[in-house]
Amino acid sequence: DAGVIQSPRHEVTEMGQEVTLRCKPISGHDYLFWYRQTMMRGLELLIYFNNNVPIDDSGMPEDRFSAKMPNASFSTLKIQPSEPRDSAVYFCASTLAPGYEQYFGPGTRLTVT
Amino acid sequence: DQQVKQNSPSLSVQEGRISILNCDYTNSMFDYFLWYKKYPAEGPTFLISISSIKDKNEDGRFTVFLNKSAKHLSLHIVPSQPGDSAVYFCAASDSSGTYKYIFGTGTRLKVLA
Repeated sequence: DAGVIQSPRHEVTEMGQEVTLRCKPISGHDYLFWYRQTMMRGLELLIYFNNNVPIDDSGMPEDRFSAKMPNASFSTLKIQPSEPRDSAVYFCASTLAPGYEQYFGPGTRLTVT
Repeated sequence: DQQVKQNSPSLSVQEGRISILNCDYTNSMFDYFLWYKKYPAEGPTFLISISSIKDKNEDGRFTVFLNKSAKHLSLHIVPSQPGDSAVYFCAASDSSGTYKYIFGTGTRLKVLA
């Protein structure tokens, strides 16, 4: 398997623009997680899905952030409008079931100017 | 409020010596703990885990110790190798809840040749 795939790897955008990050989980994994990594807060869980259904979105910072999982092989994290403080590395991870290892994608480095 | 804390942002160790990375947690409901390793421009990868029913788990050069009364865990790497240079994240979860992992801010380990 190719592992968790994320695109784009790097995104530079201007404040106010819409940003869409994409993730393809490992086939057969029923759980998908979106994380944000910053120096100050480390790896923060934003939202996670089970069988394409959002289970816990308590980590989503604001209404500007939204995530969808239209099918088992694709998820998006959208920021609209983006702000400079959203600059971070965003990771997607997937796992077979609770308690199993989470497999992370390579991340998307987002820079909002 | 950080429920999982890694108070040392960085650590340097000579090759062949022991590396000790520390992690503290505040939530007494956490019962499963993991360490992830992250190289630059890559996603975190699972290293080792421990359940709260144990106080030690060993895998080759890596050993994790758990002190529940102190709410403290540590990762020992013996002997340290230059290839171990990476950022190490500890994570904790509550299996009676939602199984989501709470990560610390990470410790950057540098093993000097």
